Amino acid sequence: DGGITQSPKYLFRKEGQNVTLSCEQNLNHDAMYWYRQDPGQGLRLIYYSQIVNDFQKGDIAEGYSVSREKKESFPLTVTSAQKNPTAFYLCASSIGGGRLNEQFFGPGTRLTVL
Amino acid sequence: QKEVEQDPGPLSVPEGAIVSLNCTYSNSAFQYFMWYRQYSRKGPELLMYTYSSGNKEDGRFTAQVDKSSKYISLFIRDSQPSDSATYLCAMKGNNNDMRFGAGTRLTVKP
Repeated sequence: DGGITQSPKYLFRKEGQNVTLSCEQNLNHDAMYWYRQDPGQGLRLIYYSQIVNDFQKGDIAEGYSVSREKKESFPLTVTSAQKNPTAFYLCASSIGGGRLNEQFFGPGTRLTVL
Repeated sequence: QKEVEQDPGPLSVPEGAIVSLNCTYSNSAFQYFMWYRQYSRKGPELLMYTYSSGNKEDGRFTAQVDKSSKYISLFIRDSQPSDSATYLCAMKGNNNDMRFGAGTRLTVKP
């Protein structure tokens, strides 16, 4: 089956801890994205990567970090600097980053800070 | 003012009703318009997309774009309980900058 997987589905973190969310795709897509979804707000872009070893900040990158060492993997680290990290995190990928390339979403990770 | 405005609802309709979901936007550079459906605790899935103004129909779903009014709509005919979900509008220009609405939560009651 081709698709995007995210793990874990639920994640609990104590204040002051860094956590890493996993995102893997086997669609052979070049571009990958991380979004944050909060109630009553649209998806907001955290980081995106158009090719391996390259990534760009989105609208709300502060307190987050990413890496793109492999085409199929785009992990997101939520650092202790992120002031309000409790949210639903969605990873997506697309064939390329330009024009209309459909973004396919993973099932999401719900992060709760205790 | 947000770039994309979408009434979050919730919207509740009886089975078989016609549902109208709408978004307005302020950025005239947007040219690609999408509707995503998101079931509870799942990732969004692309339902419809249109380029520039006009209508597009796919089964019970019709997407409309009016660029002059900066207004897009999604119509669902003969709504079913399985249509109960959150519907997100999304739009982008020629760059990689996609903007999403807040989503409208729809419940179709049997």
